[in-house]
Amino acid sequence: EIVLTQSPGTLSLSPGERATLSCRASQSIAGNYLAWYQQKPGQAPRLLIHGASNRATGIPDRFTGSGSGADFILTISRLEPEDFAVYYCQHYGHLFTFGPGTKVEIK
Amino acid sequence: QVHFVQSGAEVKKPGASVRVSCKASGYTFTTYAMHWVRQAPGQSLEWMGWINTITGSTKYSQKFQGRVTITSDTSASTAYLELSGLRSEDTAVYYCARGVFGYCSGGSCWGSRYMDVWGKGSPVTVSS
Repeated sequence: EIVLTQSPGTLSLSPGERATLSCRASQSIAGNYLAWYQQKPGQAPRLLIHGASNRATGIPDRFTGSGSGADFILTISRLEPEDFAVYYCQHYGHLFTFGPGTKVEIK
Repeated sequence: QVHFVQSGAEVKKPGASVRVSCKASGYTFTTYAMHWVRQAPGQSLEWMGWINTITGSTKYSQKFQGRVTITSDTSASTAYLELSGLRSEDTAVYYCARGVFGYCSGGSCWGSRYMDVWGKGSPVTVSS
């Protein structure tokens, strides 16, 4: 089973700043089967990125996914007030695993 | 638009079973898989299993093998999660999430990929 590690655990930034979130897998992920989800308090997760770099329908272009193999990045180019949330990476395929999450909080 | 209506909050005693439902609308139920994911208070997301809504075949996380059953009723566009032998650690919000099929051919589909739409969640509390 692939284990995902996310860093940092918490990211304190101001609106307008750039956020860089990391997701590292315990082994290389075939097919770049890596997704990113956003979750706000009291809400269900929302798909942002699939296939490591493909934005889901309706996701603003300030969200960019990149990476391959075992190292993946989610970049939010300019933080909007509604972007402060917890972000999870997920490996999908035969089995499905989530990372522990990165909380992006207002500085 | 795609929408899921999940069953309401449940309070169960240790050792009991719980059944959570997820009624889908806004799309053809059998064109997507259905996953179940749970989230304990303050914790990350935990995948439990998924069902191929066309064939009814299931795949479960090894952690829940033997305790979890996922079924679906295509005529009602509804998926179900049943978890038995409840313990306090099962206290969580249980989400259904639509899964994109991995590969489809000749009216059949196999495998599932990412989860593109999620239900709002069903809280389950296990307490004596």
